[in-house]
Amino acid sequence: ELKVEQNPLFLSMQEGKNYTIYCNYSTTSDRLYWYRQDPGKSLESLFVLLSNGAVKQEGRLMASLDTKARLSTLHITAAVHDLSATYFCAVARSRLTFGEGTQLTVNP
Amino acid sequence: DSGVTQTPKHLITATGQRVTLRCSPRSGDLSVYWYQQSLDQGLQFLIQYYNGEERAKGNILERFSAQQFPDLHSELNLSSLELGDSALYFCASTPSGTGGGSGYTFGSGTRLTVV
Repeated sequence: ELKVEQNPLFLSMQEGKNYTIYCNYSTTSDRLYWYRQDPGKSLESLFVLLSNGAVKQEGRLMASLDTKARLSTLHITAAVHDLSATYFCAVARSRLTFGEGTQLTVNP
Repeated sequence: DSGVTQTPKHLITATGQRVTLRCSPRSGDLSVYWYQQSLDQGLQFLIQYYNGEERAKGNILERFSAQQFPDLHSELNLSSLELGDSALYFCASTPSGTGGGSGYTFGSGTRLTVV
């Protein structure tokens, strides 16, 4: 059974700081997704990573995928309050399996 | 607007009742997936339909059932509701049987509260 683990689960950081969220998964997959969810809202697609070594950036967020290590990272650069949300990674095989989510709070 | 439409947005019902949640996929998408999001279980895959046929099943209770109609919309039926069924129910759609490069597009969800 595919397991997806994120850490940390809770992250409180100051504006302007950098941090990385980690996503480990247990079985081979070459498709990994990152989503953002605001409280009570839907899942917003951030990145789709399709191959080993893939790196994608959008604004202050950068995601990477290492399929050999079964690891993806979501790096936050110079955090701002608007990035406060819960971030999920998800791995696709026959369906999407989600990590537990990382609840990010960016404090002024 | 993601293009995936879920109705209703909110639903409050009593224990023991039955409800139907509806999902219209993004235009051109053939696959529909149902997910349940609760505080203690996280995002759990329930079931997938592809072009009218059941494709994959996850941790879906026997009290729950789903189907996909010829026009590709899907319905999730929840019966004999219990307090623990209170959750956000999302559907997602993809063009094919798997997400591929375009990913999975999620609807805005139905918040079910069982009282």
